[in-house]
Amino acid sequence: NAGVTQTPKFQVLKTGQSMTLQCAQDMNHNSMYWYRQDPGMGLRLIYYSASEGTTDKGEVPNGYNVSRLNKREFSLRLESAAPSQTSVYFCASRTGTGASYNEQFFGPGTRLTVL
Amino acid sequence: DAKTTQPPSMDCAEGRAANLPCNHSTISGNEYVYWYRQIHSQGPQYIIHGLKNNETNEMASLIITEDRKSSTLILPHATLRDTAVYYCIVSGTASKLTFGTGTRLQVTL
Repeated sequence: NAGVTQTPKFQVLKTGQSMTLQCAQDMNHNSMYWYRQDPGMGLRLIYYSASEGTTDKGEVPNGYNVSRLNKREFSLRLESAAPSQTSVYFCASRTGTGASYNEQFFGPGTRLTVL
Repeated sequence: DAKTTQPPSMDCAEGRAANLPCNHSTISGNEYVYWYRQIHSQGPQYIIHGLKNNETNEMASLIITEDRKSSTLILPHATLRDTAVYYCIVSGTASKLTFGTGTRLQVTL
């Protein structure tokens, strides 16, 4: 199993450009998450999808949109990138909602720079 | 979800036990304590979790005080590969994880 995969690994954008970060998991997990991590900070939740067909805002959703394409894939879109969105983006998944534990599996991250 | 307090950094000699403390005085009855770690530039990795009883797995042990207001993650024989940022997170069932800034553990020769 590949676990959680993310593409691309690195990306440089100019202010105002758009892009989509891709995430896929092969563990048949129900829930998927998008986080961002700024230098020296902990991870902050952007959006999450508790199950296929549902999405919800996290702590810092402004400037982002998400799509839960199917059970495997959860994409994050920046419609008009801003320098403040320069960060490392992590995707994660976990087995289900209402579980008594919160073991999330993380991808390797996408390092995004907005000039 | 309850907030946690961790020391910003700790050092540990290789081969010795690393004891990482966490305070979570506002934890409620249905909230679990989770520990994750993040090795430089990688995605966080789940280590262990517990509700009220002490827990042990192949990576670490988790000791939770009887009043559940604090806990300690124990790496019994730290190695250089255990150098990482360790996050203590309190979360209820079906909840999101809130990552703080964690404890940066430096394991030295």
